Amino acid sequence: GAVVSQHPSRVICKSGTSVKIECRSLDFQATTMFWYRQFPKKSLMLMATSNEGSKATYEQGVEKDKFLINHASLTLSTLTVTSAHPEDSSFYICSARDSLMNEKLFFGSGTQLSVL
Amino acid sequence: AQTVTQSQPEMSVQEAETVTLSCTYDTSESNYYLFWYKQPPSRQMILVIRQEAYKQQNATENRFSVNFQKAAKSFSLKISDSQLGDTAMYFCAFGLTGTDYKLSFGAGTTVTVRA
Repeated sequence: GAVVSQHPSRVICKSGTSVKIECRSLDFQATTMFWYRQFPKKSLMLMATSNEGSKATYEQGVEKDKFLINHASLTLSTLTVTSAHPEDSSFYICSARDSLMNEKLFFGSGTQLSVL
Repeated sequence: AQTVTQSQPEMSVQEAETVTLSCTYDTSESNYYLFWYKQPPSRQMILVIRQEAYKQQNATENRFSVNFQKAAKSFSLKISDSQLGDTAMYFCAFGLTGTDYKLSFGAGTTVTVRA
């Protein structure tokens, strides 16, 4: 099956610094990628949808200046958490939509962000 | 906006027995997809089964099967012959077809398989 690689798997940073998370589709082209946030034992909350070559679409309540999303190529999307604070600590998951297998989403393995 | 409801926060089942997870959704659309995803302790999201709304036949994938009732907007998952490796959080998800495609997830049901 299709593989989505997400890095890093875990990151610890100081308050006020920025953190970048990468999401790559390894064996398919992903015209659309999605970024989710998940709190412990809770559901996935969609943060934003990114389409290759265009600006991301953010869900209501998500600060676009804090969570910068770039989808520069058909295989790579990045999420940058800017000026991170302890309340940004969470598990972040990306998923990619295979343009040839429209309804299927493939998920990365997630990134646990801890802000001290 | 579409909403997905999973009313069972936790379920426990004896190994080799059957468990059924419920899911209801709300939409005014007629073309959509429904999914069940599994998230084990590793936290990797794994697709268990999917159903196209236009298909009346219920999807089946080995020990996993669904009961799709379109009029009732219900989409339950049955796990037969439960195995210890089935222990995970299970999410029901809804997705529209077309360019506005994105998944809405239910709150999840934690399934524990007992030896």
